[in-house]
Order: sequence, then C-alpha cells, then structure tokens
Amino acid sequence: GAVVSQHPSWVICKSGTSVKIECRSLDFQATTMFWYRQFPKQSLMLMATSNEGSKATYEQGVEKDKFLINHASLTLSTLTVTSAHPEDSSFYICSARGQQPSRHGYTFGSGTRLTVV
Amino acid sequence: GESVGLHLPTLSVQEGDNSIINCAYSNSASDYFIWYKQESGKGPQFIIDIRSNMDKRQGQRVTVLLNKTVKHLSLQIAATQPGDSAVYFCAENRGNTDKLIFGTGTRLQVFP
Repeated sequence: GAVVSQHPSWVICKSGTSVKIECRSLDFQATTMFWYRQFPKQSLMLMATSNEGSKATYEQGVEKDKFLINHASLTLSTLTVTSAHPEDSSFYICSARGQQPSRHGYTFGSGTRLTVV
Repeated sequence: GESVGLHLPTLSVQEGDNSIINCAYSNSASDYFIWYKQESGKGPQFIIDIRSNMDKRQGQRVTVLLNKTVKHLSLQIAATQPGDSAVYFCAENRGNTDKLIFGTGTRLQVFP
C-alpha cells in the first residue's frame, strides 16, 4: 500500500514553454503533498507544501508565479513550471502524506527529470 | 527553499563490511527522523525511522542511532552488499509542521 505515481518520468521542453507534472496517490487520500527539487549531486530541496483545496505554501526563495501548484483533490497535485528556462532543468519529486497504510507517513513519487533546451 | 548541503560525500566500503553513515541535523525542535535510500534517477526509498523519544532503533540489517545532545543521527548497515550502493539521506520533521527537510546525502559505494 501507499503508492504515489508521478508523471511524466522525464520531459524535454523548449525554453519559454510550460510543463505540468502530476503527482497521484493511488491507494490513499493525500491531505498534504510536498514538492521537492533536486539538482545533480545535491540534496532534495523543499519547494512547497500543498494542502487539498487550499493555496500552496512556498519555501523562501521559490517563485510561486513560476512554480504553480494545484491540489484540487485528495489524490492529485500538479506542479506547473511556467516559462521554463534551462536553469529550471532539474529532478522534481513529489511526496504525499495522509491517511495511509504507510506507518511513516511520507510516500515519495519516482521523480520527473525536466530538461529545458 | 530549504536545503542543506552543496556537496555529496562518499563512503566506500568492501562487500561484507559494516557501513556507518552520519548526519547532523540543525533544529533541536525536530522530533522525527527518517533515513532514505535514493538510487540514480529514482525517488527516495524509506529505510528506517526514529522518534526523538528513542536513541536507537533496529531493522533488518540496519540500525539508526540518535544523539539529541549533539544533534547527530547515524545509519548503520550490517554486512553491506553491492545492492546497498546508493545515496543515503537523513530527513527531519520539525515538530509543529508536516514538512520533511532533507540533510546532505552520502554516496555509499560497495566494492566486491
């Protein structure tokens, strides 16, 4: 139990375009979802926390108008990278927390590799 | 955003040896800690967790030690295997929020 599906697993987009990444909890209701960004050989950096039905809370230094987060249902959160630029190329990972079988409460997706050319 | 660490230290061990991976955390209010394993191109995989009311917890081949006095966490892997090769991260939950903050990772390389 406690599976989080992230889609797509990788995406290449042109500079200036927008990209949407989906994070779905498959067998539980995720009341809270987290979005992380990870650059090569670095740790996971928390970008924002989203609660179902409310606006996301962004970490300091993360542009909310550039990284749009929507958590419209208890099983789906989306991250849209708007007007992407090469420096946005990174590995984006979501995590979900809620009423779930997983005893430790945080379940991670498999990540999305974004390459902006 | 919150992040810790701009470099990735490496620990090299021989197959069959024990591995010890260390982590220093910053917030004395943190009361829940998790160790994750991350393989290349994948999301973090849960290994073991510990709450601040404990100082040791054991799993299958893994042990986590918590020293709250010096804000230090360690992961011990017994009889390390090639399949243990990965990057290991500690993560802390800071008490009054749901946020999970990751520490600097350690790359574990296991040689035959």
